[in-house]
Amino acid sequence: KQEVTQIPAALSVPEGENLVLNCSFTDSAIYNLQWFRQDPGKGLTSLLLIQSSQREQTSGRLNASLDKSSGRSTLYIAASQPGDSATYLCAVKLGAQKLVFGQGTRLTINP
Amino acid sequence: KAGVTQTPRYLIKTRGQQVTLSCSPISGHRSVSWYQQTPGQGLQFLFEYFSETQRNKGNFPGRFSGRQFSNSRSEMNVSTLELGDSALYLCASSFNGYMNTEAFFGQGTRLTVV
Repeated sequence: KQEVTQIPAALSVPEGENLVLNCSFTDSAIYNLQWFRQDPGKGLTSLLLIQSSQREQTSGRLNASLDKSSGRSTLYIAASQPGDSATYLCAVKLGAQKLVFGQGTRLTINP
Repeated sequence: KAGVTQTPRYLIKTRGQQVTLSCSPISGHRSVSWYQQTPGQGLQFLFEYFSETQRNKGNFPGRFSGRQFSNSRSEMNVSTLELGDSALYLCASSFNGYMNTEAFFGQGTRLTVV
């Protein structure tokens, strides 16, 4: 059974810092990995999608990497801003058209 | 381009009642998936529909059911509501739901069972 773990569960940093969020998964037979952002009480916003054949994807200040063999992905946020405060979720795509999610990292950026 | 639309945004129901939630996917998307989000269990997969057919189902009791219409809009129904069904229900749409496609989520329906 695929399990996805995100560490840390919560992170608080001052504005302007670069930071890394971690995601690990137990079964490397994934099709892709997606990073999402969720604001309190809201839906999920897709940030980055990495296909299983790719090593990384970048969008603006965000960079996500994928190492299938070790079952790990990282989301790098450069020059953090208070507006980046949210819960960040990673999810792996299995063959059965479903996503398996981690529990998320709650990020707080302090002005 | 409109995103994924879920209605209603909020619902309050009494134990034993039934409820129907609606999801309109992004135009052109034919795959719709449903997820339940709770503080204790996180996000859990309910089921996925493509071209009006359920292709996959998660580990939820038969009280949870769904369907998809010819225009790809989907509904999920929960019968005989229990307090534990209180959750944020999220719908995701993708082009075809297969391996390399990106999932886009709606804002969710917050269901409270009292």
